Amino acid sequence: DAKTTQPNSMESNEEEPVHLPCNHSTISGTDYIHWYRQLPSQGPEYVIHGLTSNVNNRMASLAIAEDRKSSTLILHRATLRDAAVYYCILRDGGYNKLIFGAGTRLAVHP
Amino acid sequence: DTGVSQDPRHKITKRGQNVTFRCDPISEHNRLYWYRQTLGQGPEFLTYFQNEAQLEKSRLLSDRFSAERPKGSFSTLEIQRTEQGDSAMYLCASSVWTGVSYNEQFFGPGTRLTVL
Repeated sequence: DAKTTQPNSMESNEEEPVHLPCNHSTISGTDYIHWYRQLPSQGPEYVIHGLTSNVNNRMASLAIAEDRKSSTLILHRATLRDAAVYYCILRDGGYNKLIFGAGTRLAVHP
Repeated sequence: DTGVSQDPRHKITKRGQNVTFRCDPISEHNRLYWYRQTLGQGPEFLTYFQNEAQLEKSRLLSDRFSAERPKGSFSTLEIQRTEQGDSAMYLCASSVWTGVSYNEQFFGPGTRLTVL
């Protein structure tokens, strides 16, 4: 399984945009980029996924580099509830198991 | 249906005892996954089922671990002769075929196991 690299931690202020980076230089052509987050004392929850094009949903936006070797999860206006560990995961076309790294711990300050 | 449920939420046991956890997936989700998460780490894949068939098991799943999904609905994860190293959060997730692919996995709240 291809690996991803994320910063250990990031901080943001409430109501400001947050850009969470992820490097995946060994991504293959069939790997989708998935983002999950894990709020304290909860199981992970799906945020967004994409293959090549940028994606938007009600939770976030995903910007994918043209060479697909990196991506950025964008939270447009951080809230205190967005404080969580964010995981960037490459998932092959088989859509089976998720391989989690250590993720980025996001702290949001009032 | 309110999501994936797991029971119990917490389990404290003594080393050497057997424990069993239950996971109820979202209705009609035919894929069910088990993960294990230790403090400060991301979840690690253990095994997954498609309906009642166990299709993949991680090397992390030693002989002391067994998982079943007898009727393709709920699943159980049993750990025999527990060791202190088994202390972790055990997470269950489920997903459904959308007609194109299996996409997002829905996770339960987890069962926290403490082995004394």
